[in-house]
Amino acid sequence: KAGVTQTPRYLIKTRGQQVTLSCSPISGHRSVSWYQQTPGQGLQFLFEYFSETQRNKGNFPGRFSGRQFSNSRSEMNVSTLELGDSALYLCASRVNSGANVLTFGAGSRLTVL
Amino acid sequence: GNSVTQMEGPVTLSEEAFLTINCTYTATGYPSLFWYVQYPGEGLQLLLKATKADDKGSNKGFEATYRKETTSFHLEKGSVQVSDSAVYFCALSDLGVTGGGNKLTFGTGTQLKVEL
Repeated sequence: KAGVTQTPRYLIKTRGQQVTLSCSPISGHRSVSWYQQTPGQGLQFLFEYFSETQRNKGNFPGRFSGRQFSNSRSEMNVSTLELGDSALYLCASRVNSGANVLTFGAGSRLTVL
Repeated sequence: GNSVTQMEGPVTLSEEAFLTINCTYTATGYPSLFWYVQYPGEGLQLLLKATKADDKGSNKGFEATYRKETTSFHLEKGSVQVSDSAVYFCALSDLGVTGGGNKLTFGTGTQLKVEL
């Protein structure tokens, strides 16, 4: 069974640009969550999607957005990039909203110059 | 709100030494508790979990017991190996408490280095 797949694994952007990250959950998993990991702030919850609907949102500015498609794949977008957005962005999936175990992908490492 | 406090790292041990990484939490209701491990350049892997008081999670020689009276979930291993070198994260899930879906609240992580 394939795990959670995130693309791209590494990317470099400059301030002011926007970026889109992709996440394919484990087959059969309908819920996808996103987390940001930085040395200073640690792991912080961004948002969760289930059945194409945002179920929960963390405390991030509106520049951070996401969506989920009918096949459960998810994308997150960050607009008007700032240096502080440099981070490892982790996607996690679970079977449904009642399951409490998240399976994480390897992450997308974003560097903003 | 929910919070998780872990002991500061890095923790450096000799191979076959005993490991304890302390974790305490603050939460409303009855959260589930987790330990995740992150190896260099990788994402998070679930190490073990416990869903109610007095549950003991175990995996690969690691153990942790959900202690509601002390709000703790300390990670232990009797004999560490060099391959256990990684960053360990304690986390809690408030699934069902707020009704807003599931989110994990993580501790800051504890880096473990095991030397020969």
